[in-house]
Amino acid sequence: QQPVQSPQAVILREGEDAVINCSSSKALYSVHWYRQKHGEAPVFLMILLKGGEQKGHEKISASFNEKKQQSSLYLTASQLSYSGTYFCGTPWAGNEKLTFGTGTRLTIIP
Amino acid sequence: NAGVMQNPRHLVRRRGQEARLRCSPMKGHSHVYWYRQLPEEGLKFMVYLQKENIIDESGMPKERFSAEFPKEGPSILRIQQVVRGDSAAYFCASSRGGENYGYTFGSGTRLTVV
Repeated sequence: QQPVQSPQAVILREGEDAVINCSSSKALYSVHWYRQKHGEAPVFLMILLKGGEQKGHEKISASFNEKKQQSSLYLTASQLSYSGTYFCGTPWAGNEKLTFGTGTRLTIIP
Repeated sequence: NAGVMQNPRHLVRRRGQEARLRCSPMKGHSHVYWYRQLPEEGLKFMVYLQKENIIDESGMPKERFSAEFPKEGPSILRIQQVVRGDSAAYFCASSRGGENYGYTFGSGTRLTVV
């Protein structure tokens, strides 16, 4: 069992926007977002700790709806460097280990 | 700041041999997590350790797999009598602990069992 992400994959042209959703069947206390490029390690993007929190990182931002048990990652005016697989992660087990979502593969084409 | 160091980057083992994967966390990080990733798949939790303690090993197979994080030295993930199904990328991550901090991942060890 793990958080479910949607869409599974998306292809965009440079400059277009994307939204990636992460939905949980269990209560969410915090949500992490990571990006993994092919053949590389996942890289931490941001963490949201409170319901209603929104955060930004350059043209990448995220929101966290605690009541709906979901988080969304927004990529604005996408760049080629945004390509990769995005994972949400959440501490489901009551300790600090993260359970990662199913992943969303984002491909940006020129 | 050297980041999370994993070695080896690539490891080839014959069926039945042992594999030892090493992970040195970032300086100042006392929490270590091991994840396994099959090609084109997600990150599956294996084990969470702090110095000299296993906090959560719920994702680790009961047989052939073990992990440690000794007082001195790196964390070790050990796989005995490897089988073809053990072939995967194994990532180690570390954190300071506490809900405010994200994980820093190492570059991973790609294990191939032939």
